[in-house]
Amino acid sequence: SQQGEEDPQALSIQEGENATMNCSYKTSINNLQWYRQNSGRGLVHLILIRSNEREKHSGRLRVTLDTSKKSSSLLITASRAADTASYFCATDLQGGSEKLVFGKGTKLTVNP
Amino acid sequence: EAGVAQSPRYKIIEKRQSVAFWCNPISGHATLYWYQQILGQGPKLLIQFQNNGVVDDSQLPKDRFSAERLKGVDSTLKIQPAKLEDSAVYLCASSQNRDLTYEQYFGPGTRLTVT
Repeated sequence: SQQGEEDPQALSIQEGENATMNCSYKTSINNLQWYRQNSGRGLVHLILIRSNEREKHSGRLRVTLDTSKKSSSLLITASRAADTASYFCATDLQGGSEKLVFGKGTKLTVNP
Repeated sequence: EAGVAQSPRYKIIEKRQSVAFWCNPISGHATLYWYQQILGQGPKLLIQFQNNGVVDDSQLPKDRFSAERLKGVDSTLKIQPAKLEDSAVYLCASSQNRDLTYEQYFGPGTRLTVT
């Protein structure tokens, strides 16, 4: 079963705008990761945030984690057409088996 | 550094036929994963190997799916016999070890269509 659920399912913005995607999950986690998938490069790891962290940055990416609300957000600033892809959150469950559970993803389209 | 290699990239078979996928992980990576990704969904773990031993195969439909990782390097995933609902992209990933804080590197996947 899927643990994480991304919101929105699809997002369309103009180049230069910011894109925000959210992920909610059901049970306590050790870590939460974000992945990007596009047709050209497959699935690529973007960033990992641990359960004791609240915010993390990597280039134009900003991830937040609110364990009390069981949610995370991914912000892409100054988006580019090359950011067009599907974005997935993946969690590993506290006390659970050692595997990542992916959500259904948010499909982001950045229009030039 | 070479990435994770998979073949074939595409496969079309009829239901009840068998099919096999091959994966070559990044050199030195001890952990290998096979995921199934159905259209519109996120990847779902089928099986995880640590070297040549199985760590987790709880979501592998063992009546039709099998996988092996001989010598702890390459891996093959087989489906026999295939069903229509097996149509999906099969992704192989590898990681330095089974600690989930280590990044998983994914291959390009094999798109399977069962008709």
